[in-house]
Amino acid sequence: QKEVEQDPGPLSVPEGAIVSLNCTYSNSAFQYFMWYRQYSRKGPELLMYTYSSGNKEDGRFTAQVDKSSKYISLFIRDSQPSDSATYLCAMSKPRGSTLGRLYFGRGTQLTVWP
Amino acid sequence: EADIYQTPRYLVIGTGKKITLECSQTMGHDKMYWYQQDPGMELHLIHYSYGVNSTEKGDLSSESTVSRIRTEHFPLTLESARPSHTSQYLCASSERGRLDTQYFGPGTRLTVL
Repeated sequence: QKEVEQDPGPLSVPEGAIVSLNCTYSNSAFQYFMWYRQYSRKGPELLMYTYSSGNKEDGRFTAQVDKSSKYISLFIRDSQPSDSATYLCAMSKPRGSTLGRLYFGRGTQLTVWP
Repeated sequence: EADIYQTPRYLVIGTGKKITLECSQTMGHDKMYWYQQDPGMELHLIHYSYGVNSTEKGDLSSESTVSRIRTEHFPLTLESARPSHTSQYLCASSERGRLDTQYFGPGTRLTVL
């Protein structure tokens, strides 16, 4: 079983839609959760970073972590064509144990059409 | 915007050739990483470094080697390229105390014929 599962999509939505992207994981040791955005022919860039359970909001983006269900989500409100990209979830274990190693999902390809 | 660079961006090469993929960062980060990314698949860690003269193999078995002689430079070498090495190679770095936040380069798309 993979440690991080993510539906690769593709996901296609109209401009203005609310987008929900999700990942599940199997290892309860994960404590740090990230979402990276990767545009075509570019490297991933960090979008959201959360620690443990809870919500974090940044503009149109909201990251949620439910550690009891081992489930994380990224919501995009009022989606724009510029949000079209691949979104990768990533997570890591306590810093003392693995020195920054990230475990990635496969990425979900999102297209927002005008 | 992160200051991490990779060259070349695209490389098409024949089987058996030796190649070196370059990665440089100007942020003074101690930690550097190499990932392999295939379409629709997870990023797989193939090498990482905690600092100068420190390198480790990652999760994915790789026939490549790396070196870290200078803080800013982390090249990856394939002694004899094969078609199975065709992939996207991503370099990343992170700063001391913020190991979870990795900054990625634009990647090198390698095709071995």
